[in-house]
Amino acid sequence: QQPVQSPQAVILREGEDAVINCSSSKALYSVHWYRQKHGEAPIFLMILLKGGEQKGHDKISASFNEKKQQSSLYLTASQLSYSGTYFCGTEVSNFGNEKLTFGTGTRLTIIP
Amino acid sequence: DGGITQSPKYLFRKEGQNVTLSCEQNLNHDAMYWYRQDPGQGLRLIYYSQIVNDFQKGDIAEGYSVSREKKESFPLTVTSAQKNPTAFYLCASSGQGGDTQYFGPGTRLTVL
Repeated sequence: QQPVQSPQAVILREGEDAVINCSSSKALYSVHWYRQKHGEAPIFLMILLKGGEQKGHDKISASFNEKKQQSSLYLTASQLSYSGTYFCGTEVSNFGNEKLTFGTGTRLTIIP
Repeated sequence: DGGITQSPKYLFRKEGQNVTLSCEQNLNHDAMYWYRQDPGQGLRLIYYSQIVNDFQKGDIAEGYSVSREKKESFPLTVTSAQKNPTAFYLCASSGQGGDTQYFGPGTRLTVL
């Protein structure tokens, strides 16, 4: 079943913060985050594994709440380059033969 | 340079014709995937392959066919049975199922 992302779209001014959520009705093993610019391929941002860890690099970080089966992506002090559509992809087991199921995406627009 | 290539970037076909989209990777990845993306929507899995000479249907396999004769190549054929083939098609690969997926640049197919 497809994970649910919220919000569907958000507009921010440069320097503002954003949070994007990804929720699943199934128990998750991992959550993958990607960003896609219009007409281009999705680019991998980070992966979070079961265990409630938080990861991040630069001003983009993410957490994974195992109890809620939810992951959140945090973008702080947003830059114009952060604009794009963010997708989460979820994996429900670690048997090594699983596929990712992607959410419908969150469109982020950063304005000067 | 290692990566995933898709060709062509844009493809136009008449209704009722079969068309084959190319996907090649030199990352030595075992798993490969085909996704379809429609405007404002997420990534929907068409077919995936974990190993040469084996593949599985994804969520929207009807009207599509694939082959995996070589590790590097995973071509997708859009058949005349696909009722609404106009879309953006993305190919991806990963070391194993569930690992980080790396995407090709995509092929935009328009059926006239």
